[in-house]
Amino acid sequence: DGGITQSPKYLFRKEGQNVTLSCEQNLNHDAMYWYRQDPGQGLRLIYYSQIVNDFQKGDIAEGYSVSREKKESFPLTVTSAQKNPTAFYLCASSLGLANEQFFGPGTRLTVL
Amino acid sequence: QKEVEQDPGPLSVPEGAIVSLNCTYSNSAFQYFMWYRQYSRKGPELLMYTYSSGNKEDGRFTAQVDKSSKYISLFIRDSQPSDSATYLCAPRDTGFQKLVFGTGTRLLVSP
Repeated sequence: DGGITQSPKYLFRKEGQNVTLSCEQNLNHDAMYWYRQDPGQGLRLIYYSQIVNDFQKGDIAEGYSVSREKKESFPLTVTSAQKNPTAFYLCASSLGLANEQFFGPGTRLTVL
Repeated sequence: QKEVEQDPGPLSVPEGAIVSLNCTYSNSAFQYFMWYRQYSRKGPELLMYTYSSGNKEDGRFTAQVDKSSKYISLFIRDSQPSDSATYLCAPRDTGFQKLVFGTGTRLLVSP
């Protein structure tokens, strides 16, 4: 089955630690995205990538980093510089940047 | 003023009711209008999208866009308990402009 997988589903980390969230897609989509969702707020774009080895900052990139070494993978690292990292993180992909986006199941990160 | 406004709800209706979910937006450049459905603790799934003004129907769902008043609606006919979820509207400009998500409206359909 084609789709987007994110792992793990739940993640707990201590304050000050970096953590990497996984996102894999087998839809052969060129574009991939990372969003953050907080209660009472809409999804906010962290980073996006149009093609392999290229990515751009979204609205709230500070404290986050990404890589796009393979078409199917777009991992997100939440660094210790991110002031409020506890949130629900969603990965999405689309055929191209102008096409509709499809979302993965999400990773809930809790920083203790 | 937020670019996209949605009433967070919850909106509670009995099974079989017609549901109207709405968004208003401020950016007149928006041309594509998406509706996503999100179940609790899950990722959003794309329900429908429309281009420019007009209606689009898909089964029990109808999306309506009125660009003159910057108003987007999603109608659900014969609502079912399985429709209980949060509905997110997300408009955007042409080409790649980022999706701008509303906060979502939580819908509860009781049997």
